[in-house]
Amino acid sequence: AQRVTQPEKLLSVFKGAPVELKCNYSYSGSPELFWYVQYSRQRLQLLLRHISRESIKGFTADLNKGETSFHLKKPFAQEEDSAMYYCALRGVGSYKLIFGSGTRLLVRP
Amino acid sequence: DGGITQSPKYLFRKEGQNVTLSCEQNLNHDAMYWYRQDPGQGLRLIYYSQIVNDFQKGDIAEGYSVSREKKESFPLTVTSAQKNPTAFYLCASSIRDRNEKLFFGSGTQLSVL
Repeated sequence: AQRVTQPEKLLSVFKGAPVELKCNYSYSGSPELFWYVQYSRQRLQLLLRHISRESIKGFTADLNKGETSFHLKKPFAQEEDSAMYYCALRGVGSYKLIFGSGTRLLVRP
Repeated sequence: DGGITQSPKYLFRKEGQNVTLSCEQNLNHDAMYWYRQDPGQGLRLIYYSQIVNDFQKGDIAEGYSVSREKKESFPLTVTSAQKNPTAFYLCASSIRDRNEKLFFGSGTQLSVL
């Protein structure tokens, strides 16, 4: 079964601390993984995708096929990073994005 | 101002009533999607459409219907067959060949009276 699991509903850290938002997936094949973010009073939007191997707003995520994980990381959290983060998966050739349940990141001053 | 517009923001449904949620986009996107979001759960796909006059069921299509008569519009009807309609509904669109980048609307909260 295709599934995306985000084990933490809430992650609270202090400003300047490292952040790791966990994402594990279940998929029989080669998936494409993404992170979406929703800031307060804004719409859900794409943050980054694994195929781009990009860093957006200081966040990076590496696809680990052995551990079936796609954790989102940032070395030094900022207050403006506080938001709801969703991990998503898409099978190759599929039109369907499968979302995890989301993790709320709270960065305290 | 380009984007996706969902209306209404809040909607109430009586027992046995059908209600329609509106979704309009002016991004010239081919693909459009409807997702349902329940507390503590991720987004679940209800229906999606890659081109006009064509649409496919997602994971939880039972009790819902859609139409795609125009490129810019993808209304969702929640029928009386949907026994648990209370949820937050999100509409999204994408360029057909880059459909991992979804552009989302601001959502409609549907509640049952």
